[in-house]
Amino acid sequence: DIRMTQSPASLSASLGETVNIECLASEDIYSDLAWYQQKPGKSPQLLIYNANSLQNGVPSRFSGSGSGTQYSLKINSLQSEDVATYFCQQYNNYPNTFGAGTKLELK
Amino acid sequence: QVQLKESGPGLVQPSQTLSLTCTVSGFSLTSYNVHWVRQPTGKGLEWMGVIWTGGSTDYNSALKSRLSISRDTSKSQVFLKMNSLQTEDIATYYCARELNSSYMPFDYWGQGVMVTVSS
Repeated sequence: DIRMTQSPASLSASLGETVNIECLASEDIYSDLAWYQQKPGKSPQLLIYNANSLQNGVPSRFSGSGSGTQYSLKINSLQSEDVATYFCQQYNNYPNTFGAGTKLELK
Repeated sequence: QVQLKESGPGLVQPSQTLSLTCTVSGFSLTSYNVHWVRQPTGKGLEWMGVIWTGGSTDYNSALKSRLSISRDTSKSQVFLKMNSLQTEDIATYYCARELNSSYMPFDYWGQGVMVTVSS
């Protein structure tokens, strides 16, 4: 199975700040990488797919980048509603595998 | 609009079988793949399996011996059955729709059903 190593595990940032979350795959996943946002008690919501494609309805302050084994999620101008846990997912190979998550809090 | 909703018992006895139903609306099971994903409280996400548009299935090898996914297209329902439940299976179970074609992420998720294993 492809292992997804996500960092940091937790992150504290101020409103308006830019935040970066990283995901490292144990092998090349050819940009088959998605990012999800999960708020407490809710199901995950798709933000980014194919490493850098913004899902419909997702604010443009979210962006994704990367290739090969290294990927990142960037949140520009952090808003209070962005407080959540973020997960990466590779879907290049079955089983799909997820990162352990990054919990984002406000400073 | 697209909706998925899981249903089933919230409590299962150890060694017994978990049976969950995912009822979908706003799309056809013959056009979109549906997956099951679970999440222990406060932990990460584990992909369990998928039923493809043609009706075939694939499972996480870690669960394959205990897991079965099926569907009733006339009722727009997908079923999950997993036997020999243990405390390690305590989690919220989600069904999710795959985005528009194979080997894609999940664009719609159900609200999840919390399952506890206890006598």
